[in-house]
Amino acid sequence: ILNVEQSPQSLHVQEGDSTNFTCSFPSSNFYALHWYRWETAKSPEALFVMTLNGDEKKKGRISATLNTKEGYSYLYIKGSQPEDSATYLCAALYGGSQGNLIFGKGTKLSVKP
Amino acid sequence: DGGITQSPKYLFRKEGQNVTLSCEQNLNHDAMYWYRQDPGQGLRLIYYSQIVNDFQKGDIAEGYSVSREKKESFPLTVTSAQKNPTAFYLCASSIGAGTGTEAFFGQGTRLTVV
Repeated sequence: ILNVEQSPQSLHVQEGDSTNFTCSFPSSNFYALHWYRWETAKSPEALFVMTLNGDEKKKGRISATLNTKEGYSYLYIKGSQPEDSATYLCAALYGGSQGNLIFGKGTKLSVKP
Repeated sequence: DGGITQSPKYLFRKEGQNVTLSCEQNLNHDAMYWYRQDPGQGLRLIYYSQIVNDFQKGDIAEGYSVSREKKESFPLTVTSAQKNPTAFYLCASSIGAGTGTEAFFGQGTRLTVV
């Protein structure tokens, strides 16, 4: 059974702090890594989809890196704002899985003003 | 506005009854998915469909059934055979299964069995 691990489970930071989370996944037969942001009472929204080893993507103050050989991805938030408070999900897609994204349990971020 | 719509938002069911959760998308996506979330757990795949009139079991399909008669619609039936149906259910769609493209999610249905 493929297992995607996220750490930490939850995180409390002050406004202005920079922070990062980790997503670990089995690297064998890996195809793609997704990051989603899930705000309370809303739908999960995609942040990034990455496939290549060494990929680095950025959207505003949020960026992500991917290491497919060792099986991990980091999500960075620079200068956290209260509106960044959400649960951040990562999900891995494997070759031949026909679309079965394996989700981690998420990292819940709370940013205090 | 393009998007994916789930209804109802909250659903209560008596034990032993079947119930159907609706999922509709107007994004012209081929692939659609049903996930279940339980407290402290990641999203787990129930069923997915890559194309109309075709669907595949996910990791936890027992006690559930689906249909895909139209591209826009992928209803999920929670049957009385599902032993622990109380959960939060999320529907999603993507351009194509296995393409690595992002999934678009509905707002979810919270099912409670009373």
